[in-house]
Amino acid sequence: GDSVTQMEGPVTLSEEAFLTINCTYTATGYPSLFWYVQYPGEGLQLLLKATKADDKGSNKGFEATYRKETTSFHLEKGSVQVSDSAVYFCALRLPSYDKVIFGPGTSLSVIP
Amino acid sequence: NAGVTQTPKFRVLKTGQSMTLLCAQDMNHEYMYWYRQDPGMGLRLIHYSVGEGTTAKGEVPDGYNVSRLKKQNFLLGLESAAPSQTSVYFCASRQSSGNTIYFGEGSWLTVV
Repeated sequence: GDSVTQMEGPVTLSEEAFLTINCTYTATGYPSLFWYVQYPGEGLQLLLKATKADDKGSNKGFEATYRKETTSFHLEKGSVQVSDSAVYFCALRLPSYDKVIFGPGTSLSVIP
Repeated sequence: NAGVTQTPKFRVLKTGQSMTLLCAQDMNHEYMYWYRQDPGMGLRLIHYSVGEGTTAKGEVPDGYNVSRLKKQNFLLGLESAAPSQTSVYFCASRQSSGNTIYFGEGSWLTVV
C-alpha cells in the first residue's frame, strides 16, 4: 500500500549546522508531497509542498525536491536555528485519494 | 481568522465514560479528518468526511464514531473510553480541490 518512511529521530544539531531529514515514499500513482512542522504543544503546519516531479518546495530557508526516480522528498536547511526545534512530518496525497498519509515524524532539537 | 478549532483542549476520562470532541472550521472546506498522534507512530487517520452527511473509516476507526451534520463541524465520539485511547487528537480540513491540509491545535485526552 501507499506509505511514507522517514529517518529515525531524534536528531540533535548545533545552531548553524546543515540539516537533512530523509523521506521516501511508496505510492501507486503520482502523489503530491508535503512537509509539515509541529512546534511543541501545537498542531501541524504546512512547511512546504511539491505537486510534480522535479518541483522544489521552499519556505523559511527549508527546501525539498520531488525526486520521482528515487521516490524521495528529503528536507534540507543550510543553517538551522534554535527556533527550528520541532517535529517534522513528511506526507503524501494521491490526486484520486481522499486521504493524506503521514510519515512517523522526525524530532529535531537545535542547541545553541 | 480562526481556521480549525477543537474543543476541549484537555480532558481526563475514566474507563467506560463517553465523550465527544468537537471540530469546527470556518473555511468552508468540504473535507474533514480526525487523526490521533501517539509517540513513535506519527499520525493515524481515525475517520474522515468528504462532505456534509458523509463519513468514512480511516486506518484506526474502532472505538470511535463520527458525525458531520453540518459542513463546518465534525464530531468525534468515544462511546466507552479505554486507556488505549489516551492520545492527542487532531482535527484537520481541506478544500476538495486543494492539497493543503489545515490542522487544529490538538486535544489531549487521558483515559484512566
